[in-house]
Amino acid sequence: DVKVTQSSRYLVKRTGEKVFLECVQDMDHENMFWYRQDPGLGLRLIYFSYDVKMKEKGDIPEGYSVSREKKERFSLILESASTNQTSMYLCASSLPGALAEAFFGQGTRLTVV
Amino acid sequence: GQQLNQSPQSMFIQEGEDVSMNCTSSSIFNTWLWYKQEPGEGPVLLIALYKAGELTSNGRLTAQFGITRKDSFLNISASIPSDVGIYFCAVERTDDKIIFGKGTRLHILP
Repeated sequence: DVKVTQSSRYLVKRTGEKVFLECVQDMDHENMFWYRQDPGLGLRLIYFSYDVKMKEKGDIPEGYSVSREKKERFSLILESASTNQTSMYLCASSLPGALAEAFFGQGTRLTVV
Repeated sequence: GQQLNQSPQSMFIQEGEDVSMNCTSSSIFNTWLWYKQEPGEGPVLLIALYKAGELTSNGRLTAQFGITRKDSFLNISASIPSDVGIYFCAVERTDDKIIFGKGTRLHILP
């Protein structure tokens, strides 16, 4: 059974803290994604990685960075958390090219207070 | 960025009714995907479409890839309570990034 695992289901952090969201996939997928989901806005792409150590900005990268040191792991970093980063964060992975079916983790609901 | 226009934004239907939702874009895409998200969970892939004009079924779900490659629809027949959730369309851009519509929230009345 394919799996994308996010390290936390719920997180509460203080404004200004550095926050790490971790994601691991066991499908040997090249592509990994971080999205945030907000009511009425759907899923918006924050960052994308198509290989180890490779990353590309998505549509809303401001305030975030990412790290992909190993193929199976993709980390999202909030350098200095702010209240407007309170959201549901979803990690996904996929194969490149024609079989672009993204598989998602269960999500991390982050609250910044 | 490129936008997907998904409609309706929400639906309230009676159990047993059929459901139809659609997604359009001003750009051409070669892959259309439909996902369902249940409360507290990540989205799960329902149907993937790779060929213009393709009509694909998965149980009570049927999806079509528009012939212009700029749209897709999803139908659910004879809805049941467990169909409740948010349905998203998605496409793969030429840069390999997968982008999503804003979702259709389906409510089923007893």
